[in-house]
Amino acid sequence: DQQVKQNSPSLSVQEGRISILNCDYTNSMFDYFLWYKKYPAEGPTFLISISSIKDKNEDGRFTVFLNKSAKHLSLHIVPSQPGDSAVYFCAASEQGGGADGLTFGKGTHLIIQP
Amino acid sequence: GAGVSQTPSNKVTEKGKYVELRCDPISGHTALYWYRQSLGQGPEFLIYFQGTGAADDSGLPNDRFFAVRPEGSVSTLKIQRTERGDSAVYLCASSSGPGEKLFFGSGTQLSVL
Repeated sequence: DQQVKQNSPSLSVQEGRISILNCDYTNSMFDYFLWYKKYPAEGPTFLISISSIKDKNEDGRFTVFLNKSAKHLSLHIVPSQPGDSAVYFCAASEQGGGADGLTFGKGTHLIIQP
Repeated sequence: GAGVSQTPSNKVTEKGKYVELRCDPISGHTALYWYRQSLGQGPEFLIYFQGTGAADDSGLPNDRFFAVRPEGSVSTLKIQRTERGDSAVYLCASSSGPGEKLFFGSGTQLSVL
């Protein structure tokens, strides 16, 4: 049973436009959420995170929004750049901010078209 | 290098054989994690070490899987009597402590024929 769901296996966006990646979760005990980016043949790299006490966190071109009542979070990338093409994983933890035993979604392959 | 190092990068073995996968974490990182990523899936948690001890091994699928970290630095994931279903990318990550950001290695692609 998937506790973290990324329902879009892939997403294609034109360069310069906004990319929106979505993630839903079922475990109400999750209190810390992260996005990781992965290039082929490399390990995932941390992108941005958000605690359940917030509903928005911004870092440059990347913003994560959290809607706890809907158990939904999204990652916005604006403007999208070719180097953003990668697989993006949503992850969640119920350790009060701890990274122990992160639960990952299946990932969304983002393709930025020139 | 300064990152998490995993060796080998690729391992091909036959069903029933024993394999060891090595992880060299970032120097000074006390927390170490093993994950497994099967094709089309996200990384799946296997085990977490804080120092030398396994603080959480709830993700190990069965008793064929075992991991050690005897000196609190390098870790080895050991798989006995490998099965074709064990084929996956095995990822190692480290952090400076519980609750801190994870840094992943590039993984070991294990193929069991």
